[in-house]
Amino acid sequence: QKEVEQNSGPLSVPEGAIASLNCTYSDRGSQSFFWYRQYSGKSPELIMFIYSNGDKEDGRFTAQLNKASQYVSLLIRDSQPSDSATYLCAVTGWTGNQFYFGTGTSLTVIP
Amino acid sequence: NAGVTQTPKFRILKIGQSMTLQCTQDMNHNYMYWYRQDPGMGLKLIYYSVGAGITDKGEVPNGYNVSRSTTEDFPLRLELAAPSQTSVYFCASSSHDQNTGELFFGEGSRLTVL
Repeated sequence: QKEVEQNSGPLSVPEGAIASLNCTYSDRGSQSFFWYRQYSGKSPELIMFIYSNGDKEDGRFTAQLNKASQYVSLLIRDSQPSDSATYLCAVTGWTGNQFYFGTGTSLTVIP
Repeated sequence: NAGVTQTPKFRILKIGQSMTLQCTQDMNHNYMYWYRQDPGMGLKLIYYSVGAGITDKGEVPNGYNVSRSTTEDFPLRLELAAPSQTSVYFCASSSHDQNTGELFFGEGSRLTVL
């Protein structure tokens, strides 16, 4: 059983602050790592993906991957109220064919 | 751009009834997936397909069946519906492109079994 674990939250941060979201995974063979954002009642949408150890930055978002520790995180800088959503961590299995999701972290950005 | 289209968006079933959730994608993706999402939970993989004629079980396949006769279509069949199958179902597709490999999701189908 592949496990992807996230703190369910809720996580509340003031507008303009940095939000830090964490995810651990059990399968050492996992190849690819994704962060999806899901607004209430909507389908998930891709925010970031990362394949290699280290940091990857895209605008206000930074994904960090540490395969040795089986840990992936997402930092959101200058948080905005529009960032309020549930953030889902997803990893692929060793074949790369299956995507496994965590339970999600609910983020609220307070104006 | 249609992307991934799911039908129906909402359905209420009685216990023991059967139904099929339809999923079609127009992006020529080989990989397709069915997930269920229970309230406050993440996505659980039901079945997936890596190409026409090929399907495989995911984490929670019991009570469901799929087929993949074409690249575009990946219907999910519920036989003998049970209250435990009340959930939101998402169909997704992926090209497994080396650049992103991201999943593209449909809008979801909300199923209630009473």
